[in-house]
Amino acid sequence: ETGVTQTPRHLVMGMTNKKSLKCEQHLGHNAMYWYKQSAKKPLELMFVYNFKEQTENNSVPSRFSPECPNSSHLFLHLHTLQPEDSALYLCASSQVYAGTGLPGNTGELFFGEGSRLTVL
Amino acid sequence: GQQVMQIPQYQHVQEGEDFTTYCNSSTTLSNIQWYKQRPGGHPVFLIQLVKSGEVKKQKRLTFQFGEAKKNSSLHITATQTTDVGTYFCAGNSNSGYALNFGKGTSLLVTP
Repeated sequence: ETGVTQTPRHLVMGMTNKKSLKCEQHLGHNAMYWYKQSAKKPLELMFVYNFKEQTENNSVPSRFSPECPNSSHLFLHLHTLQPEDSALYLCASSQVYAGTGLPGNTGELFFGEGSRLTVL
Repeated sequence: GQQVMQIPQYQHVQEGEDFTTYCNSSTTLSNIQWYKQRPGGHPVFLIQLVKSGEVKKQKRLTFQFGEAKKNSSLHITATQTTDVGTYFCAGNSNSGYALNFGKGTSLLVTP
C-alpha cells in the first residue's frame, strides 16, 4: 500500500473508445503527476499538477486530457488512442512539486501501482 | 533539453558479487533521486542527493553525487536475490521544472 491508488489496474480499449484512468492519493500531498512507462523507454513525464494547477504539459497529444478536481484526485481521460499508446500509466504524488530543485526539498515521488493500458 | 543517461542497461551477476550503475546528465543537476522498481511493480524512492560530492549509504547500497553535479552512481555490495529489479536515477536541473528519469538499469541476481 503506497498511499496512491490507481484504477483500473488493467484496461483494454479500441481506438474509438473513450475511457478514463483515476488516481487518488491519501498522503496529503500537494503535487500529482502522470508518467508513461513503455518498454525500452524511460519514464516519460506527461503532466504535473501543483495545488490543482497544471504546471507541466510535456508535449502530450491532445488525445490525453488530464483533470485534477482537487489535490487528492487526478484523472487521465483517453479518447481516440493509437496502439502505440499502449503502456503502463503511472500516477505519482509528492509533498511539494519535485521540479523546483530547492535544497531541502526532497520532492520524493510516491507512485501508484499503475494502470496497464492496451489499445487495440 | 535535459537528458539523463544510465549505463549499463542490463546487468546479470551472481549472488554475492558487487553491482554498480551510473547516471550521467547533459546538464548540471540541482539534485538527483534514485528509485527501484521490482518486476511487475512500481518505482519506489530510495534516496535523494543534493550536495556536490555527496555520498550516502543505506546498508549495502552506496550512492554518490559527482563534484560537478552531472553524474551519480549506485553501488550495491554483495548482491542478494532481493536486489533484483530496475534501478532508475532521476534528476532535475537548475533551469528545468521536470524530474527526468533515466532508462534504468535492470539487475538480475542468480543464486
